[in-house]
This record gives sequence, C-alpha cells and structure tokens, in this order.
Amino acid sequence: DAKTTQPPSMDCAEGRAANLPCNHSTISGNEYVYWYRQIHSQGPQYIIHGLKNNETNEMASLIITEDRKSSTLILPHATLRDTAVYYCIVRAISSGSARQLTFGSGTQLTVLP
Amino acid sequence: GAVVSQHPSWVICKSGTSVKIECRSLDFQATTMFWYRQFPKQSLMLMATSNEGSKATYEQGVEKDKFLINHASLTLSTLTVTSAHPEDSSFYICSARAPPGLAGGEQYFGPGTRLTVT
Repeated sequence: DAKTTQPPSMDCAEGRAANLPCNHSTISGNEYVYWYRQIHSQGPQYIIHGLKNNETNEMASLIITEDRKSSTLILPHATLRDTAVYYCIVRAISSGSARQLTFGSGTQLTVLP
Repeated sequence: GAVVSQHPSWVICKSGTSVKIECRSLDFQATTMFWYRQFPKQSLMLMATSNEGSKATYEQGVEKDKFLINHASLTLSTLTVTSAHPEDSSFYICSARAPPGLAGGEQYFGPGTRLTVT
C-alpha cells in the first residue's frame, strides 16, 4: 500500500472548516484513500473514502486532486468533539479476503473554542 | 451501522497471569477480524489477522504463543495475553470488516481494551 504524509498537528477554530491535507504521491490506480479518526482512548472511527471523485457524507467531504497524489479531508463546521487524531490511509480494494489497514502517525486536530 | 464491541474495556492484572479480551461484531458476521496494539502517543500497530475457523496470521515480531487468538465464530474473536508482563501494558483494539453491501464493507473498530500489568 502507498505511503502517506500528513502534518503532525493542526488547530482549527470552533465553527470554522477544518481542512486536513494528505500526500500520497505513490498511489496506484487501484488504491483508495481512506480517512479514519481516533478520539483519545477510543477505537478509530471510519469517516470517508474515495477513489478519484470527490466524496461527501454526513461527516465530511473528501477532495482528491486530479492526479490523485494528494487529498484533503474537510470538516465543514468543526466542533470541540472533532478534536482527534485523523489518519489518511491508502489501500487497494481486493475482492475476497479483507486486508488490514496500515496506520501512519496521523494529524492531531485540535478544535479551539 | 456496523457495531463492534470489546470486553472488558479495561483490565488490571498481575505479572505472570493471563488475560482474555473479547471482540464481537454485534450486527454483522465477520470472517476476518484484526487485532491492533497501541502504546501511548503512538499509532496503531497491527498484531495479527484473525480468520474464522482457521489459525491467525501474526505480524513479524509478534509472539504467537504469547498472544493467543481464537476466532471460533463469525461474530467473536478472542485475544489472550499469556503470562503478561508490564511491557504488555497497552491499548488493544480489534476491528472487523463488514461484508460488502452492509455499511459499505468498511472496517469497523471496537472501543479498545486498556490493559495494565502490575
């Protein structure tokens, strides 16, 4: 699976949009971009994933550049509860057996009041 | 949505004893579950892949005789830390992949189990 690079930490004001970048310059054509987050002392939570088109769900939006070498996770109106470590993971989807997720160091997002 | 539970949520045990941690998929069947370990201020590290009805696959450096994994049913995997020592103190997290068509077929994580060995 391709390696990802994320900034170690970011701050965001409550109510503002949080934009979390991720570089994955070695991504392959069959690899998806996944985002998970981990609130302190809890298990990771799935947020969103995409292949090449931008995606949006009730939690966030995922913007993937046209060359797919980077992406941005957007939390449109950050709240204090969004303070967490956000992980960007690139993984190929293979039909059949499940494949594990490989976690990097992630970005610690702190939402400030 | 898909829910994964773990029990216990935290446990304290004495050095040399064994501890069993349960991971359950509550509303779906999971042929494959994963066990991760997370030390303070570090990321999650995969320990092993648990396959229902067969032996677990361990990552390099993880002792299979120390971390016993049993996946006896499609909704339950257990991790037993045998002869625990203080260096085994960590946050243990399991995950299960929901089948395609259910919750997007993504991996869902349990809440974690905090193990402290004294």
